[in-house]
Amino acid sequence: QKEVEQDPGPLSVPEGAIVSLNCTYSNSAFQYFMWYRQYSRKGPELLMYTYSSGNKEDGRFTAQVDKSSKYISLFIRDSQPSDSATYLCALGESRMDSSYKLIFGSGTRLLVRP
Amino acid sequence: EPEVTQTPSHQVTQMGQEVILRCVPISNHLYFYWYRQILGQKVEFLVSFYNNEISEKSEIFDDQFSVERPDGSNFTLKIRSTKLEDSAMYFCASSSLGPLLNTEAFFGQGTRLTVV
Repeated sequence: QKEVEQDPGPLSVPEGAIVSLNCTYSNSAFQYFMWYRQYSRKGPELLMYTYSSGNKEDGRFTAQVDKSSKYISLFIRDSQPSDSATYLCALGESRMDSSYKLIFGSGTRLLVRP
Repeated sequence: EPEVTQTPSHQVTQMGQEVILRCVPISNHLYFYWYRQILGQKVEFLVSFYNNEISEKSEIFDDQFSVERPDGSNFTLKIRSTKLEDSAMYFCASSSLGPLLNTEAFFGQGTRLTVV
């Protein structure tokens, strides 16, 4: 079983739609959960970071973590064409020296149609 | 806004040659990382570097790879004898502290390495 699974899409939605992106994971040691956005041939850009189960909201974005189900979600409200990108979930566990080691999902390609 | 800078943006090299990918992390950051992304595949962790030594490396990071922080600003990834399968986008990242303190890991724009 892969450590992190993510539907690659593509996911095509009309402008203004609510988008739901999801990842499942198998390693219960993961403690922090991130969503990155990646435009073509660019570096990942952090959108949301959560450390515990529950919801976290930032503008049009809501991240949701359910540790009991090993399931994380990113919701985008009022989606815009500029949201068209690949969305990567990234998970990590605490390390002795406090460094990051992120395990990425394969990414979901999102297209928001005007 | 501070950013992680990587050079070159694209490097073409012949199989068997050595390459050095360069990164300038954000100035007050303490932790440094390299990740790679083969075209169409996941972003994969290669190595983390803290306090002038490797803190963790993945199984991808074999003896052909090395990292160095030669001065106070640069962080380099060297591939000693490149193979075709080393062709990928290589991302440098840095963070001021760890994730437990809610700090972000910032990624550079990447260096596209093409081994021919």
